[in-house]
Parts: sequence; structure tokens; C-alpha cells
Amino acid sequence: AQSVAQPEDQVNVAEGNPLTVKCTYSVSGNPYLFWYVQYPNRGLQFLLKYITGDNLVKGSYGFEAEFNKSQTSFHLKKPSALVSDSALYFCAVRDILNAGNMLTFGGGTRLMVKP
Amino acid sequence: DAGVIQSPRHEVTEMGQEVTLRCKPISGHNSLFWYRQTMMRGLELLIYFNNNVPIDDSGMPEDRFSAKMPNASFSTLKIQPSEPRDSAVYFCASSSVGDEQFFGPGTRLTVL
Repeated sequence: AQSVAQPEDQVNVAEGNPLTVKCTYSVSGNPYLFWYVQYPNRGLQFLLKYITGDNLVKGSYGFEAEFNKSQTSFHLKKPSALVSDSALYFCAVRDILNAGNMLTFGGGTRLMVKP
Repeated sequence: DAGVIQSPRHEVTEMGQEVTLRCKPISGHNSLFWYRQTMMRGLELLIYFNNNVPIDDSGMPEDRFSAKMPNASFSTLKIQPSEPRDSAVYFCASSSVGDEQFFGPGTRLTVL
């Protein structure tokens, strides 16, 4: 079985400050990890993914995430937050051993960036 | 590429009526997913297909819900009869093997 935890329902940060949105996962084998963003009244948009290789993954809009196998974490980060980054963020995992393409999503974290 | 297309974007119906949601996946993708999103329950996977075959429907709430994928370019999610608790945003997503899922804009369903 695979699972994802996003321990924070909401993260508040001031514009220009660094941001971190936390994610931990559990899988039987090796994970594929994803981050998605959802703006109001929109579908989820893909931000970045970790499949293999460098533990630091860079994605859209200046976001990056670091894969930490020992801590089973995949936290989303950005050096300098923008007000326009305010949205709902979802972490997702897929177990490589899983024969299908099913992703398990976390509960989401609402990011609020204040001017 | 037009992305994943869903219709209708909004649906308002009365309790007991049949509702059909439609999805056209991205051309070439071989996996299709139906999700439901509510404030109370978050994002839930209802069912997914690989190569038009249903693989996992354990998330389908009850027999009132059914999904079909008659070909690689079309899928439907049907609710019959609909109930107020079915009110939610329903998303369709598609992907290729091993790749990220691409989501449609969603259908906002309101059952009165």
C-alpha cells in the first residue's frame, strides 16, 4: 500500500520569504513522487516530479523539491514566495511496483502568501 | 494540444435525476482517472482505466455510480439516481505509463 501525508493544512508566509510545504510518503518499493498545484476553480496542475537521479528536482514557477529517502520526505520549496503562489498544493506518490499508473494524493496544503 | 476536456463544466440537477459527466483524454495517453473533490473529503480517486479497461473501481461510492470507457478517446461517469451528497467537483485526468497525470478543468455538480 502507498500513502502520503501533508502534515500542515495551511502554510502562511510573507512575500519574498522562502517557503516550504511538507510531504512524507510510504511505499513498499521505490517511489515516484509528484507535486501539483490547484488554483481556485481550476484543475490540478503538474509542478514537478522525482523519478530517479538527483535528489533536488526543479519544476515550474521556480519551485523545487528535495527527495530524502531516509526521511521518506519530498518537501516543496521556493526561495522567494510570491502572492500569486497562493493556492492549494498536493503531494502524490506512486509505487514503482504498482503495475498501474495510480497516484495516491495527500490531503493538500493551502499556501497563503501575504504582501 | 487541448489538454483533457470535460463536459459539462457546470451541472445543476434535482435529486433523483440521472447525471452523465464526459471526458476526452489527451491523445496517446493510455490511462484515465476519475476523481471527486469536496471540502469535507478532499480529493478521492473513484476509478481508473488502463487501455480502456477498468483496473480499480474501489473508490466508487456505491452502485449509483458507474463509469465506462468505450474507446481510447472518451469516458463517461454516470450517477443514477443522483443525491444531494453527490454534489462535488469531478475531475478527469489522463497519463501515459510512468508519467504525470494531466487534469481536466473539472465538472462542478450541484444536486438540489
